[in-house]
Amino acid sequence: EPEVTQTPSHQVTQMGQEVILRCVPISNHLYFYWYRQILGQKVEFLVSFYNNEISEKSEIFDDQFSVERPDGSNFTLKIRSTKLEDSAMYFCASRLGAGANVLTFGAGSRLTVL
Amino acid sequence: GESVGLHLPTLSVQEGDNSIINCAYSNSASDYFIWYKQESGKGPQFIIDIRSNMDKRQGQRVTVLLNKTVKHLSLQIAATQPGDSAVYFCAETPWGNNRLAFGKGNQVVVIP
Repeated sequence: EPEVTQTPSHQVTQMGQEVILRCVPISNHLYFYWYRQILGQKVEFLVSFYNNEISEKSEIFDDQFSVERPDGSNFTLKIRSTKLEDSAMYFCASRLGAGANVLTFGAGSRLTVL
Repeated sequence: GESVGLHLPTLSVQEGDNSIINCAYSNSASDYFIWYKQESGKGPQFIIDIRSNMDKRQGQRVTVLLNKTVKHLSLQIAATQPGDSAVYFCAETPWGNNRLAFGKGNQVVVIP
């Protein structure tokens, strides 16, 4: 079954460092997403991406965050200068397209900021 | 009920019994609802969805009920199995919208 793959599974970084989380969405999907989940809390929307641009972003997704689809397969989330409160699980998701609303999530990347 | 921080509402159920998980949503504009299952250390996994033009939808061992009048969603799991132990999230969005809003989650613990 097609799946969304994410790397790394766990990253530990020092506060202030840049982090890039990588995702390979399902190959024929057109819409891509990043969500995050702080330990024990609900999953929160960060950003959606379609046709090589951000289509929507939440208030969490401030100037420290950016997304990119550098080639035909990867979708990345960059945090420029990490803060302690960025520690969370980051989930990438994708969906097929119009008329198909089901998001398929990856297994997540755990980010720990020290 | 409400959950804060690490404390999720927990349903303990005997293996073989039926489980019912409830979710209240607040956005009147939402017309598409999804239940996700999240096992420890994994991402949310799709279980079943329903649009607002329906009030019930059945899958394999799962049924979702939607009451738009009181903005309430429930997930019923028949003959609960140990593999059903997980956190269950409801999510809502207007149809075609880009962002899902997740609920706070309910922990289901299946007792063998």
